[in-house]
Amino acid sequence: GAVVSQHPSWVICKSGTSVKIECRSLDFQATTMFWYRQFPKQSLMLMATSNEGSKATYEQGVEKDKFLINHASLTLSTLTVTSAHPEDSSFYICSARDKDRVRTGELFFGEGSRLTVL
Amino acid sequence: AQSVTQPDIHITVSEGASLELRCNYSYGATPYLFWYVQSPGQGLQLLLKYFSGDTLVQGIKGFEAEFKRSQSSFNLRKPSVHWSDAAEYFCAVGAIASWGKLQFGAGTQVVVTP
Repeated sequence: GAVVSQHPSWVICKSGTSVKIECRSLDFQATTMFWYRQFPKQSLMLMATSNEGSKATYEQGVEKDKFLINHASLTLSTLTVTSAHPEDSSFYICSARDKDRVRTGELFFGEGSRLTVL
Repeated sequence: AQSVTQPDIHITVSEGASLELRCNYSYGATPYLFWYVQSPGQGLQLLLKYFSGDTLVQGIKGFEAEFKRSQSSFNLRKPSVHWSDAAEYFCAVGAIASWGKLQFGAGTQVVVTP
């Protein structure tokens, strides 16, 4: 199957700093990637849809200035948590859609990035 | 509005016993349904999906699911569980017009006892 890699897998930062999380599709091209957030023992909540070469589409209630998304190439999307605070601590998971297999409906998920803000 | 309900938050099953995880959905259009599995600290792995056709869907790792439109359900089953099946299972629903924008259920934690 296709591989999606996230980096870093875990990060600890101080309150007020910014953190960048990368999501890469290793063996396919993804015009669209999705960023999810998962709180402990809870389900995944879609944060935003990342579109290559254009602005991301954010879900209602998600602060676009807090969670900056850039999808500059067909294999890389980045999520930057700006001025992070403890309430931003969470597990962030990206998924990607293979542009050549859109009709299969299959998404490929990264292994997730755990952010802890002190 | 679309929604996905997994009524069971936690299920404990003996190794070798059968397993059934429930999933009910509410959706305005034809739903596309998925089951994913998540091991601790890991991403999600697709077990199986239903788009159309045969309502009994076979997946990986010996899992299957049955789509029942009349009951708005898509329950996941496995005849005989293995200790390695201990994980969190998520049911999700999506639409063809918005591939990737999945609505996930709350998840069911499966514990396998010897």
